[in-house]
Amino acid sequence: DVKVTQSSRYLVKRTGEKVFLECVQDMDHENMFWYRQDPGLGLRLIYFSYDVKMKEKGDIPEGYSVSREKKERFSLILESASTNQTSMYLCASTLGGVSGANVLTFGAGSRLTVL
Amino acid sequence: GQNIDQPTEMTATEGAIVQINCTYQTSGFNGLFWYQQHAGEAPTFLSYNVLDGLEEKGRFSSFLSRSKGYSYLLLKELQMKDSASYLCAVIDSNYQLIWGAGTKLIIKP
Repeated sequence: DVKVTQSSRYLVKRTGEKVFLECVQDMDHENMFWYRQDPGLGLRLIYFSYDVKMKEKGDIPEGYSVSREKKERFSLILESASTNQTSMYLCASTLGGVSGANVLTFGAGSRLTVL
Repeated sequence: GQNIDQPTEMTATEGAIVQINCTYQTSGFNGLFWYQQHAGEAPTFLSYNVLDGLEEKGRFSSFLSRSKGYSYLLLKELQMKDSASYLCAVIDSNYQLIWGAGTKLIIKP
């Protein structure tokens, strides 16, 4: 089974701190995604990457950046955390474009609280 | 704008049947997913529909009507472990995923 691992399940940070959320997948998937999940809202795409060193903005990229130096690792960076970035962050990956044959596989999530 | 509507919460009894509806208004349609997410865990894939009709997978079935912009997930012989959130997502004309807010299903003994 494809495994997507998010290294930090729970984080508490202070406003203005720099935050790194790490995600690693072990099945040689091309595409990786970062979403945030908030109560009452659907998953919102922050950034995605379809290849090493490639990145594309999603629907809500403001306040975030990403890094993909290796195929298996996709990092989400909050340069200066703010309280409105308190959320659950989900990483996901697919082999190719999303379809019935290439479903998203998610990590367990990183719950970030910014004080 | 693009929109996916699901009920926020549903309650059902162990052993019963429940239907979770999803209606969508998107720019194009290239498929619809249902995912299950237990509290504090990763969403996991349940089903995919791209053609009209019913797809059955054990106790779970998913139905799609593209003309009506409508899908439902049917869960039979409910078990306590089915207590979870169920997420509906549509692939739009740009092959981007649009997500509903999810339906929290509570199973009572």
